[in-house]
Amino acid sequence: QKEVEQNSGPLSVPEGAIASLNCTYSDRGSQSFFWYRQYSGKSPELIMFIYSNGDKEDGRFTAQLNKASQYVSLLIRDSQPSDSATYLCAVGRDSWGKLQFGAGTQVVVTP
Amino acid sequence: ETGVTQSPTHLIKTRGQQVTLRCSSQSGHNTVSWYQQALGQGPQFIFQYYREEENGRGNFPPRFSGLQFPNYSSELNVNALELDDSALYLCASSLEASGTQYFGPGTRLLVL
Repeated sequence: QKEVEQNSGPLSVPEGAIASLNCTYSDRGSQSFFWYRQYSGKSPELIMFIYSNGDKEDGRFTAQLNKASQYVSLLIRDSQPSDSATYLCAVGRDSWGKLQFGAGTQVVVTP
Repeated sequence: ETGVTQSPTHLIKTRGQQVTLRCSSQSGHNTVSWYQQALGQGPQFIFQYYREEENGRGNFPPRFSGLQFPNYSSELNVNALELDDSALYLCASSLEASGTQYFGPGTRLLVL
């Protein structure tokens, strides 16, 4: 079992719709959770982080964390073609980073 | 504010050679982490440096080694290169235990 699992996709989303990305993790001791966006050929770019159960919103992005279910998700509202990228879920056991990444979910926003 | 920089951007080596990759952390950040990202996979944690000391290591063999300098810049050294070492090497900086890491543009290494 991989430590951090994501659906590989591609997830095809019509422009203006909501993209929903899911991530599960195996280490119950995990404390920090991150979503990164990675365009093809580029390095990961931090979108959001969340440490506590519940929802956290930042602009068009909402991260949701459920530690009991070991589940973290990312919603992208009003999806735009520029949101087409691979989204990486990352989990940290402590506050120092040392992140475990999933393989990423490819999102394709179609006009 | 200066972001994370890495050099070189691309590198081609042959099997058995040694390589040194360099990273300058974001202004104000004193912690540097290195990751390896193979094609189609997520980044894999190699090690982290804080105040010139190794502060954790992932599942990588000893031929992967590193350094951090007093100005918080860092080097990743890989000895006895293998074909499977071909990957994008990413450096990320953060401020101590803040956890939030920002990545540099990466160095793409090809081992022939």
